[in-house]
Amino acid sequence: AQSVAQPEDQVNVAEGNPLTVKCTYSVSGNPYLFWYVQYPNRGLQFLLKYITGDNLVKGSYGFEAEFNKSQTSFHLKKPSALVSDSALYFCAVRGDTGRRALTFGSGTRLQVQP
Amino acid sequence: DTGVSQDPRHKITKRGQNVTFRCDPISEHNRLYWYRQTLGQGPEFLTYFQNEAQLEKSRLLSDRFSAERPKGSFSTLEIQRTEQGDSAMYLCASSYPSQGLLYEQYFGPGTRLTVT
Repeated sequence: AQSVAQPEDQVNVAEGNPLTVKCTYSVSGNPYLFWYVQYPNRGLQFLLKYITGDNLVKGSYGFEAEFNKSQTSFHLKKPSALVSDSALYFCAVRGDTGRRALTFGSGTRLQVQP
Repeated sequence: DTGVSQDPRHKITKRGQNVTFRCDPISEHNRLYWYRQTLGQGPEFLTYFQNEAQLEKSRLLSDRFSAERPKGSFSTLEIQRTEQGDSAMYLCASSYPSQGLLYEQYFGPGTRLTVT
């Protein structure tokens, strides 16, 4: 079985400060990892993915994520937060074998204060 | 806009009624997924199509739920004899397969179902 844990329901950060949203996962085989963002009344938007290769993945809107195989983590980061980054963030995983569907975490609400 | 579209966006129904939702994927995408999202939770997988073939179903998909993708393009999700526990956002996503590459899933805006 595959699973994702997002240990923080909410992360608060001041505008201009760096932000980190945490994600750990469990999956059989090699992981494919994704971050999505959800704004109110809008669908999930893809941010970035890790398939293989460089452990630091760069994505949309200045976000990046670091894959750490030994810690089974895939934390989302941004060097300088914007108020407009405030949204709900979901980490998702699937393995390289078996089911194709994504397993999502429960989400982390990011609040960036001006 | 050529993104994933879903219809209707909102549906209110009485318990025991049947409802049907439609999803139109991005035109060149041959994989289509249905997920359900309840308040405070991440999306949960329901079922997956490759072209017109339904290849995978979650145990969440009880026998009251049925999904089709008859021509490998749009898909419908029907819920029969709705229950209050079916109230949720139903999300559709599509993706494009590639030899040896993994493409991300693109999500539609969802259909919010309220069962009264």
